[in-house]
Amino acid sequence: EPEVTQTPSHQVTQMGQEVILRCVPISNHLYFYWYRQILGQKVEFLVSFYNNEISEKSEIFDDQFSVERPDGSNFTLKIRSTKLEDSAMYFCASLPEVQGTYEQYFGPGTRLTVT
Amino acid sequence: DAKTTQPNSMESNEEEPVHLPCNHSTISGTDYIHWYRQLPSQGPEYVIHGLTSNVNNRMASLAIAEDRKSSTLILHRATLRDAAVYYCIPTIYNQGGKLIFGQGTELSVKP
Repeated sequence: EPEVTQTPSHQVTQMGQEVILRCVPISNHLYFYWYRQILGQKVEFLVSFYNNEISEKSEIFDDQFSVERPDGSNFTLKIRSTKLEDSAMYFCASLPEVQGTYEQYFGPGTRLTVT
Repeated sequence: DAKTTQPNSMESNEEEPVHLPCNHSTISGTDYIHWYRQLPSQGPEYVIHGLTSNVNNRMASLAIAEDRKSSTLILHRATLRDAAVYYCIPTIYNQGGKLIFGQGTELSVKP
């Protein structure tokens, strides 16, 4: 069964450093998402991406965040200058259709620890 | 976004049915009701969705109230692997499918 993959599984970085989290969505999917989950809290939507541009973003997704689909298969989330509060699990997801009736497929997540 | 209310936690015995309720009284007429679950240390996983009629799939059944203000996810025979947090998520039809997660119900299954 096709699946969303994410690398690395765990990333440790120092405050102020840039990090790039990588995702490979399922190949025929059209919409891509990033969510995050701070330890012990609920899963939060960050951004959705379609047709090579951001279609929606949350208040969390400020100027420090950016997304890119550089080569037609990878989907990346960049945090320009990490803060302690960026420590969380980051989940990538993809969706085959844009109608609210299809399942989003989530990756296993990247645990980001900012020290 | 429609607000949802779910019990914080529920307990079940292995091999017994589990009924997980969700109240979504502010749901709009075109919102689909999705259920996802999150196993420990994993990403969320789709379980089932519906609009008005009850739905069955290999994982679960979804019973939707006639007024659509509530729904119930039914696991027919709980297994230890079903221990997870279950989220009920009304999804707005035209909003590109983003999911707004609440706190969900943490289901524990006793052997």
